[in-house]
Amino acid sequence: NAGVTQTPKFQVLKTGQSMTLQCAQDMNHNSMYWYRQDPGMGLRLIYYSASEGTTDKGEVPNGYNVSRLNKREFSLRLESAAPSQTSVYFCASIRDSGSNQPQHFGDGTRLSIL
Amino acid sequence: QQQVKQSPQSLIVQKGGISIINCAYENTAFDYFPWYQQFPGKGPALLIAIRPDVSEKKEGRFTISFNKSAKQFSLHIMDSQPGDSATYFCAASSAGGTSYGKLTFGQGTILTVHP
Repeated sequence: NAGVTQTPKFQVLKTGQSMTLQCAQDMNHNSMYWYRQDPGMGLRLIYYSASEGTTDKGEVPNGYNVSRLNKREFSLRLESAAPSQTSVYFCASIRDSGSNQPQHFGDGTRLSIL
Repeated sequence: QQQVKQSPQSLIVQKGGISIINCAYENTAFDYFPWYQQFPGKGPALLIAIRPDVSEKKEGRFTISFNKSAKQFSLHIMDSQPGDSATYFCAASSAGGTSYGKLTFGQGTILTVHP
């Protein structure tokens, strides 16, 4: 059982380049989330998708876009990468966002912007 | 705005000792308080969680203490082991409405347990 799978695991970009981070879950979960993790900041929510066909902004959405491709997949796109977007990105999912349940996380994408 | 404050940032404990990590929250609508454990190169994984209708929850060596009036909760790790060395995050969320299961995380605590 793979759970939440993120690709790629590592990426180095130059300032101004674009890139899409991929996330897929095989648990038939309805809601999916993108977080970024920075030292001393914890995890901060970028975007989320409460259900297939819906997306909404989180705490730090600027510079990012998302697509809920289907129930399994939720991608995060950086249109013009900036050094401030150097971070570790985590995707998470939950079966039903209407009740408190633990989120299941992938192992992250480590992104460096030069 | 950071709605969940976590301390300390780092903690060093000897094997067999007690590790204590504290969190404070501001939003009284929060009604679910999970703790996550993260090992290097891995994503956070749920360790233990509590709802505000109880003051304490214990699972093995891990205990959450919850003080609703003070808006504080803490993680106690008894008989700490080197394998417990990891980063720990407290978090909070609220069910229903427009919350959609979104978690607000504390800043994290790097725990090192010396053998």
